[in-house]
Amino acid sequence: DVVMTQTPVSLSVSLGGQVSISCRSSQSLVHNNGNTYLSWYLQKPGQSPQLLIYKVSNRFSGISDRFSGSGSGTDFTLKISRVEPDDLGVYYCGQGTQLTFGSGTKLEIK
Amino acid sequence: EVKLLESGGGLVQPGGSMRLSCAASGFTFTDFYMYWIRQPAGKAPEWLGFIRNKANGYTTEYNPSVKGRFTISRDNTQNMLYLQMNTLRAEDTATYYCATGITIAAMAYWGQGTLVTVSS
Repeated sequence: DVVMTQTPVSLSVSLGGQVSISCRSSQSLVHNNGNTYLSWYLQKPGQSPQLLIYKVSNRFSGISDRFSGSGSGTDFTLKISRVEPDDLGVYYCGQGTQLTFGSGTKLEIK
Repeated sequence: EVKLLESGGGLVQPGGSMRLSCAASGFTFTDFYMYWIRQPAGKAPEWLGFIRNKANGYTTEYNPSVKGRFTISRDNTQNMLYLQMNTLRAEDTATYYCATGITIAAMAYWGQGTLVTVSS
């Protein structure tokens, strides 16, 4: 099974600051077709998860360029710049090799 | 506008069965894979499985954790997605979401979820 390890479990950031969230997989996420299906989601309190990033670095429609994804193989990062109050919630990575999510990173605003 | 609306959740006894429904609108239903995902309170989401689109023969795949107990189906004439759950256990208690995506692992559209509680 592909295990997704997200770090940190939680973090606190000041408004306007920048944060990075790491997602590491137990095996390479490169698909047979050469694509890497690694996505990032934000679940705001009381809401369904929302897609931020897909295929490692592609922002979904309407997502601010303050969110950026990077990485390859087994190591991936979500960066959030100029943090705003609406960014709080739990961030999950999700991978397409065996369709699993990471355990989540809770973002709190200082 | 893409809309997904789940229904059918509630309280069920251990060992019982339940069928969840998901009404889809705002997109060409037959063109898209459809997914079921669940999330126990305070925990990460878990993919349960998916059903492919028309081009891929509407075939299904399941998470091993529910394979054999859960069945995903779709009614393409009514734009409906279903999740039949049998032999339910306490650990199946969760909010259940239907979703559709733009590519593998990219669930762009989610319903609001329906809560299933398995308890005596």
